[in-house]
Amino acid sequence: AQTVTQSQPEMSVQEAETVTLSCTYDTSESDYYLFWYKQPPSRQMILVIRQEAYKQQNATENRFSVNFQKAAKSFSLKISDSQLGDAAMYFCACMMEYGNKLVFGAGTILRVKS
Amino acid sequence: DADVTQTPRNRITKTGKRIMLECSQTKGHDRMYWYRQDPGLGLRLIYYSFDVKDINKGEISDGYSVSRQAQAKFSLSLESAIPNQTALYFCATQLGQYTEAFFGQGTRLTVV
Repeated sequence: AQTVTQSQPEMSVQEAETVTLSCTYDTSESDYYLFWYKQPPSRQMILVIRQEAYKQQNATENRFSVNFQKAAKSFSLKISDSQLGDAAMYFCACMMEYGNKLVFGAGTILRVKS
Repeated sequence: DADVTQTPRNRITKTGKRIMLECSQTKGHDRMYWYRQDPGLGLRLIYYSFDVKDINKGEISDGYSVSRQAQAKFSLSLESAIPNQTALYFCATQLGQYTEAFFGQGTRLTVV
């Protein structure tokens, strides 16, 4: 079965500190894309960052970066200089079945303390 | 205006009632999807469509049906709503394979 696992239901971080959210996935495909989505209380799903499996270089978007370990099937999200606006649910997702379907993890609630 | 619009945003309905959730998009994407979000389970795929004549079941299609009225419109129906269909429902679009998914604002459905 193709699955995505987020083992941390909740995480907390102090404002301005760094936090890492974990994600592992299982797929037999060689081509796939990985995503982190943010869901604030407004419910909107916002793309944070994406990683193509064929690229060895870890993706970075401003304060957000990933640690992509293809052999270990691990895709963690690092948020640097955390801000109050980062507080949200974060979903890890893998685009599988030859790019036709997104499979999501259960999500991690991130709380940011001032 | 949002590129992917879902109506209604919130709905309370009674057990046994038929209900339709609507999704329309202005992105011009052929691919449209319906997901259901439950606490502790993330988002799970209900149905998806690659064009007007192509409808496919996702992992949790039982109790649901869909209609692709046009490239821009994809509706999800609950023929006889039951309480365990209480959830947050999302419509999404994609341009093609391995492309970013764009989501609507979600519909909070409560079945009492």
